[in-house]
Amino acid sequence: EAQVTQNPRYLITVTGKKLTVTCSQNMNHEYMSWYRQDPGLGLRQIYYSMNVEVTDKGDVPEGYKVSRKEKRNFPLILESPSPNQTSLYFCASALTRVGEQYFGPGTRLTVT
Amino acid sequence: QQPVQSPQAVILREGEDAVINCSSSKALYSVHWYRQKHGEAPVFLMILLKGGEQKGHDKISASFNEKKQQSSLYLTASQLSYSGTYFCGTRSLNTDKLIFGTGTRLQVFP
Repeated sequence: EAQVTQNPRYLITVTGKKLTVTCSQNMNHEYMSWYRQDPGLGLRQIYYSMNVEVTDKGDVPEGYKVSRKEKRNFPLILESPSPNQTSLYFCASALTRVGEQYFGPGTRLTVT
Repeated sequence: QQPVQSPQAVILREGEDAVINCSSSKALYSVHWYRQKHGEAPVFLMILLKGGEQKGHDKISASFNEKKQQSSLYLTASQLSYSGTYFCGTRSLNTDKLIFGTGTRLQVFP
């Protein structure tokens, strides 16, 4: 089944404790992206990647890192999480940069 | 800069029509429409490209006015399954960033 998977789905952590949210797609998509969703603010793009080893900042990249070492994986790293990073995070992938984006199920992160 | 969506919320009876608008201050290359049901991930509806045609998807269609940098999503003869939050995403010329609006919440009642 074609899909985007994210792990974990729920995470509660404390300020400053490094964490990684994994994202993987099995559709051989070139384009991958991370978004955060907060009430009243819609979906905001954090980082995106056009291909392996090619990443670029979205609208809200501060406090986040990403890597794209393999085509299928695009992990999101929070080196020192803070409470303002409490949010619902979505990973998405698309065949091309202008194509339909397939979203993962989301990761609900709470930083206390 | 986020595109502006209007209205923020719509309440409909089954069978009624609705229009959701998306407006940007930047010159656009493409407009993307997604629907998100409560507790679920966004799902793709359609993409409109600069110079492209008006798109249709069952009873949901959309247009893109390149001169005004505006797009409209048309939902005709709405069904209960249309309930959800609709997001437009815009991609400007010379960038690969996709910027979403804050969403329009649509509720369809029997």
